[in-house]
Amino acid sequence: GAGVSQSPSNKVTEKGKDVELRCDPISGHTALYWYRQSLGQGLEFLIYFQGNSAPDKSGLPSDRFSAERTGGSVSTLTIQRTQQEDSAVYLCASSLGGKGMAFFGQGTRLTVV
Amino acid sequence: SQKIEQNSEALNIQEGKTATLTCNYTNYSPAYLQWYRQDPGRGPVFLLLIRENEKEKRKERLKVTFDTTLKQSLFHITASQPADSATYLCALRSYNTDKLIFGTGTRLQVFP
Repeated sequence: GAGVSQSPSNKVTEKGKDVELRCDPISGHTALYWYRQSLGQGLEFLIYFQGNSAPDKSGLPSDRFSAERTGGSVSTLTIQRTQQEDSAVYLCASSLGGKGMAFFGQGTRLTVV
Repeated sequence: SQKIEQNSEALNIQEGKTATLTCNYTNYSPAYLQWYRQDPGRGPVFLLLIRENEKEKRKERLKVTFDTTLKQSLFHITASQPADSATYLCALRSYNTDKLIFGTGTRLQVFP
């Protein structure tokens, strides 16, 4: 596609439910990143992929968070048993190789009620 | 511990002046430093990249400097315009990883 696409753009869920956030990177981009941004805050690194493997999962806040990437393309971030503190905008970015500029999607705004 | 610090207070300047934003880092050996712009409700957009062996980079009204001794990058916008109002984020990528880490960002407000 022309840019990084994230879905859904907005998600409201009840506390305790599981949610899946999807990211479609730019075609051919091997690196894919997930960040979390709370209101008025900076970007908190969650995880990145190089191809299908995730060399660094150190940013995942707890074991309720997991991510996978298949076929070197689409990635899914899953949050199990959501909590109110999980409410934030989740941003995905991709880059050609691991050394270049990152292109961001519009983000998924998650609200846990 | 590793830190990337940007001034959390908003920078307010008058149109036509030069805006200067600061990015300081500790316990990093960055191979690359990047600057991004973020508008409300949008994802960040890449502006400039500077490598650790480069002192300065320019693009139109933008200039970035990178001082690995001071562990600091400065981002300048000359002849600033109200349309430059946004949050500006610096990001670092280290040698031994492709992990891209962002600072907290500085909000710039340019008033007429």
